[in-house]
Amino acid sequence: AQSVAQPEDQVNVAEGNPLTVKCTYSVSGNPYLFWYVQYPNRGLQFLLKYITGDNLVKGSYGFEAEFNKSQTSFHLKKPSALVSDSALYFCAVRDYNFNKFYFGSGTKLNVKP
Amino acid sequence: NAGVTQTPKFRILKIGQSMTLQCAQDMNHNYMYWYRQDPGMGLKLIYYSVGAGITDKGEVPNGYNVSRSTTEDFPLRLELAAPSQTSVYFCASRPLTGELFFGEGSRLTVL
Repeated sequence: AQSVAQPEDQVNVAEGNPLTVKCTYSVSGNPYLFWYVQYPNRGLQFLLKYITGDNLVKGSYGFEAEFNKSQTSFHLKKPSALVSDSALYFCAVRDYNFNKFYFGSGTKLNVKP
Repeated sequence: NAGVTQTPKFRILKIGQSMTLQCAQDMNHNYMYWYRQDPGMGLKLIYYSVGAGITDKGEVPNGYNVSRSTTEDFPLRLELAAPSQTSVYFCASRPLTGELFFGEGSRLTVL
């Protein structure tokens, strides 16, 4: 069965500090992994994806994520957080053999000035 | 560059009423999806389609129906609305290989 876990409901960081939002996944085959961001009353916006290749993926707005196959993780990172990064972040996985995407429950990121 | 367009943005229904949430995309994507988002629960897949004339159930299809007569449109029908269907509904589409593109959502309240 395919699933995604985001173990933290909320992450609090100070502006300028590095941030990490955690994600672990379970798929039966090779995973396609994604991160999305959602601002209040908006749809989800794509940040980055891992399909194949380099384990470190760079995306929009200075975000990056590291694919770790042995730990089945795909944590989202940013070296220096901005107040404007405050939002709800979702991790998603698709087994490349199938068409369905599975989403985590979301992590609310709060960046304080 | 419209992307994925959902209508209506807001709707209030009475228990037992029916309605259709509209979704249209102008990116010529074959794959389209309907999700619902409940607080703290992430997104749950209702139905999806891999092309015109082909639809399949997701995790939570009960109480909903879909059709896909064209590549562009993927309407979601709610029959006999129930309070448990109060949610925010998102339509999304994607190309053959790649990420989902989401609409802005339709907020439905059933009273």
